[in-house]
Amino acid sequence: EIVLTQSPGTLSLSPGERATLSCRASQSLSSTYLAWYQQKPGQAPRLLIYGASTRATGIPDRFSGSGSGTDFTLTISRLEPEDFAVYYCQQYGSAYTFGQGTKLEIK
Amino acid sequence: QVQLVESGGGVVQPGRSLRLSCAASGFTFSNSAMHWVRQAPGKGLEWVSVISYDGSNTYYADSVKGRFTISRDNSKNMLHLQMNSLRAEDTAVYYCAKGYGGGYRGPFDHWGQGTLVTVSS
Repeated sequence: EIVLTQSPGTLSLSPGERATLSCRASQSLSSTYLAWYQQKPGQAPRLLIYGASTRATGIPDRFSGSGSGTDFTLTISRLEPEDFAVYYCQQYGSAYTFGQGTKLEIK
Repeated sequence: QVQLVESGGGVVQPGRSLRLSCAASGFTFSNSAMHWVRQAPGKGLEWVSVISYDGSNTYYADSVKGRFTISRDNSKNMLHLQMNSLRAEDTAVYYCAKGYGGGYRGPFDHWGQGTLVTVSS
């Protein structure tokens, strides 16, 4: 099983700042099979990025994804108030696993 | 627009059974693999099961293998999860999710609002 480890566990930033979230895989993963989701309290997850770097439909361009092999990154260029949420990475190349999540909170 | 609406959750005693359903609309249901994903209270996401577009193939997480059965009715645009021998650790919000593209190797591009299953005596 591919284990995904996200860091940091919690990230405290202010609106307008840049957020960088990390996802590390326990073994090399094709970037084709890496996604990022956003989840707000009481809501279902929402797909943000798939194929490591492709934004899903309707996702603002302040969200970007990058990475390859075992290290992947989600970057939010300028935080908006609505971006404060929990973010999960997911691999779907060998079964399906999620990272444990990064909570992005307002500083 | 794509809609996924889960139902069937509730409180159930350990060892008993429960059947979840997910009503799909707004897309060609018979073209999409479908998943169940769960989230224990205050915890992260755990993939549970997937079924192919035509129902011919199913896969399960080790934690539910042999106890849960996923199925679909393409004539009614319905997805189901039969959960037997329930345990306290099965307590979670259960989401149905649509697979992107026609096969298994895709992200989950739409999710339902979830249904809560509580296993407790």
